[in-house]
Amino acid sequence: GAVVSQHPSRVICKSGTSVKIECRSLDFQATTMFWYRQFPKQSLMLMATSNEGSKATYEQGVEKDKFLINHASLTLSTLTVTSAHPEDSSFYICSARSTLLGEKLFFGSGTQLSVL
Amino acid sequence: AQKITQTQPGMFVQEKEAVTLDCTYDTSDPSYGLFWYKQPSSGEMIFLIYQGSYDQQNATEGRYSLNFQKARKSANLVISASQLGDSAMYFCAMRGVYSSASKIIFGSGTRLSIRP
Repeated sequence: GAVVSQHPSRVICKSGTSVKIECRSLDFQATTMFWYRQFPKQSLMLMATSNEGSKATYEQGVEKDKFLINHASLTLSTLTVTSAHPEDSSFYICSARSTLLGEKLFFGSGTQLSVL
Repeated sequence: AQKITQTQPGMFVQEKEAVTLDCTYDTSDPSYGLFWYKQPSSGEMIFLIYQGSYDQQNATEGRYSLNFQKARKSANLVISASQLGDSAMYFCAMRGVYSSASKIIFGSGTRLSIRP
């Protein structure tokens, strides 16, 4: 089946540093990738949608200069949290979709970010 | 605008019983898709079932079935013969085909606990 690999699974960083999270589709080409954020015991909130080779579309209220998304190829998207602060601590999860594989979203295993 | 509503924050069910998780939605898209995902404590998102708005029959996947009532805008998930491993968070999600540029939004989730 289609696999999405997300790394790292857990990261702890100091306030003010930047953190990069990678999301790779291992055995399919992802037409679209999505980045979600999830607070404890809450739902997934869509942060942005990215298509390969074009700029990401951010949801209202999401700072595009803080959450940099790069979708450089059909198999790789990265989310960089710039100048991280404790309020950025959260579970970040990516997902990918391919028009060739139908409607299903394939999810990475998520990244737990803790900013000290 | 799209909206997904899950009114049951938590449910307790006896093992081997059937359980129905409620989901209602609202969208202006004439064509849309509805999903259910399971999220165990590990955080991964597991696809369960998909229903297209123009599908003639209700979707079924093993022990999972989707009770799709278009006029009522509901897409309840039915799990037959529940198992201890079914204990998890369950999210209903929707994708509009036209107006929402393929993004998928999630409901607030239902925490299902199976009692032995």
